[in-house]
Amino acid sequence: ILNVEQSPQSLHVQEGDSTNFTCSFPSSNFYALHWYRWETAKSPEALFVMTLNGDEKKKGRISATLNTKEGYSYLYIKGSQPEDSATYLCAFLRSGSARQLTFGSGTQLTVLP
Amino acid sequence: NAGVTQTPKFQVLKTGQSMTLQCAQDMNHNSMYWYRQDPGMGLRLIYYSASEGTTDKGEVPNGYNVSRLNKREFSLRLESAAPSQTSVYFCASTLTGYHEQYFGPGTRLTVT
Repeated sequence: ILNVEQSPQSLHVQEGDSTNFTCSFPSSNFYALHWYRWETAKSPEALFVMTLNGDEKKKGRISATLNTKEGYSYLYIKGSQPEDSATYLCAFLRSGSARQLTFGSGTQLTVLP
Repeated sequence: NAGVTQTPKFQVLKTGQSMTLQCAQDMNHNSMYWYRQDPGMGLRLIYYSASEGTTDKGEVPNGYNVSRLNKREFSLRLESAAPSQTSVYFCASTLTGYHEQYFGPGTRLTVT
């Protein structure tokens, strides 16, 4: 069983604050790292799929970086808004596993107005 | 496009009863997945189907069976439900195993 760890488990920030969280994954046999956003009472939605060491992806105020050699990815949110409140999941795809994502347990973000 | 649909949305079963969860996608995706989500555990893969006609076990397959009926549909069957199968079940699909996954709305199952 692969170990995908996310920290912190939960986070409360004030509206306007910038924040970041971490996803750690095995540094060997890397194929891809996914980030998903999961709002309460909805389904997870993909934010990014990252495959290259040093990759940086951005979508609006949300961005992510990837370090495959040391096995971590950061997700950043700039100027958090209440609508950013959600659980953010990362998922690791190992080379050779073909199609099985291993998910972390998520970081639950609450943005207070 | 409806995306990924799941039925039912809610279900209560008694221990030992059986039921089938249905999933369908209209995005012409090749790969489909069944996950369960439990508090503090994240999403755990039960079974997946890389392509029509194939199915494989995931991390937690015991107590479940699946059928990839055609390219669109992937069903999950509980033959004899147990309280440990109380969970929220999500179906997902993707074009290939290397692309982002699209999730259905989930089925909340309670086994008493």
